[in-house]
Amino acid sequence: SQQGEEDPQALSIQEGENATMNCSYKTSINNLQWYRQNSGRGLVHLILIRSNEREKHSGRLRVTLDTSKKSSSLLITASRAADTASYFCATEWGAQKLVFGQGTRLTINP
Amino acid sequence: SQTIHQWPATLVQPVGSPLSLECTVEGTSNPNLYWYRQAAGRGLQLLFYSVGIGQISSEVPQNLSASRPQDRQFILSSKKLLLSDSGFYLCAWSVWWDRTSRNEKLFFGSGTQLSVL
Repeated sequence: SQQGEEDPQALSIQEGENATMNCSYKTSINNLQWYRQNSGRGLVHLILIRSNEREKHSGRLRVTLDTSKKSSSLLITASRAADTASYFCATEWGAQKLVFGQGTRLTINP
Repeated sequence: SQTIHQWPATLVQPVGSPLSLECTVEGTSNPNLYWYRQAAGRGLQLLFYSVGIGQISSEVPQNLSASRPQDRQFILSSKKLLLSDSGFYLCAWSVWWDRTSRNEKLFFGSGTQLSVL
């Protein structure tokens, strides 16, 4: 069964605004990862946050993790049209396997 | 540098026909290899993964099979395709076993869009 669930399923904002996506998961984790997928393409790893970390930054990305609530959020600041994509959270399921959520489809309007 | 090749990019097959999708990885040794399927607008479902030559683990019962004849080659097959086999198939690799280098992430191919008609 799916481990992570993203919210919202779809998000449409104006260029320059911030975009926030949330992910909830069910069981304890070692780490949580976020990936990006452009339409019709493979996924690209964005950032990994470990269970003992609360916040992590990478460029315009900010990821938070709340293990007590079993949730994570991905914030993209100062969005650009090129950020239009689907974003997935993923957690380790068993040994060396990743389970992905359903994704958030982000649309940045110029 | 490491690269992953997945082909074909698009495939249209009739119901009942066989299938063979191939994935190869370059620039790394002993990778973990994965096959995922993605329904339109949905998340990814893990189908198979392999930690070594000839070692295949199936995650869901289905009409498909996988093989790993060489260290960096992963093949997804079916003897007779079903309509429900349609989807976007993604191959991925990792060196997850090497946790000291913090390689706990997947690198994906560009995918194959399979339409079974």
